[in-house]
Amino acid sequence: NAGVMQNPRHLVRRRGQEARLRCSPMKGHSHVYWYRQLPEEGLKFMVYLQKENIIDESGMPKERFSAEFPKEGPSILRIQQVVRGDSAAYFCASSPLGGVRGEQFFGPGTRLTVL
Amino acid sequence: KQEVTQIPAALSVPEGENLVLNCSFTDSAIYNLQWFRQDPGKGLTSLLLIQSSQREQTSGRLNASLDKSSGRSTLYIAASQPGDSATYLCAVCITQGGSEKLVFGKGTKLTVNP
Repeated sequence: NAGVMQNPRHLVRRRGQEARLRCSPMKGHSHVYWYRQLPEEGLKFMVYLQKENIIDESGMPKERFSAEFPKEGPSILRIQQVVRGDSAAYFCASSPLGGVRGEQFFGPGTRLTVL
Repeated sequence: KQEVTQIPAALSVPEGENLVLNCSFTDSAIYNLQWFRQDPGKGLTSLLLIQSSQREQTSGRLNASLDKSSGRSTLYIAASQPGDSATYLCAVCITQGGSEKLVFGKGTKLTVNP
């Protein structure tokens, strides 16, 4: 059973471009979470999704950021018009039952650098 | 608002020592607590998960305890090895209005010297 997969592992964008980060959860997992780790900071929750539903996006910046988890295919975190402050490691986690009863399993992360 | 604090921020020990990493959280209303390991430039590896009803979990040389009422958890590493060098993260799972999320501490950076 492959783990959580994220791609790309490294992404470089210039200011104003769009960044699309992809996350494929573990097989059989229907809960996906995105976290962001800024330099020298702890991981911060961004968004929690189930298939075709956004459950909680309270950690997402109000503008430029969006996330989806379609019925088929990976979850996508999309950042429009990137700025230098978006440079960070973005981690995806998945869980089969939800974190309350099960573990969250993390992917290797996507490291975004904005020039 | 739930806040998680990890002490110390960094720790350097000689190989073979037993050591304890500390984690505290401000709100005892948690559902579980996870300890993770993060190597530089890498993702997170789950080490131990303790449900709120449990007091401790063990895996190999690792033992994690949880005292929910006092808002504390410890990760005990026995007979440390250079390969244990990494950043150790503590995270509590909380629920809010039908959602659930992990709240992380900033981690303890451990260096085990040969």
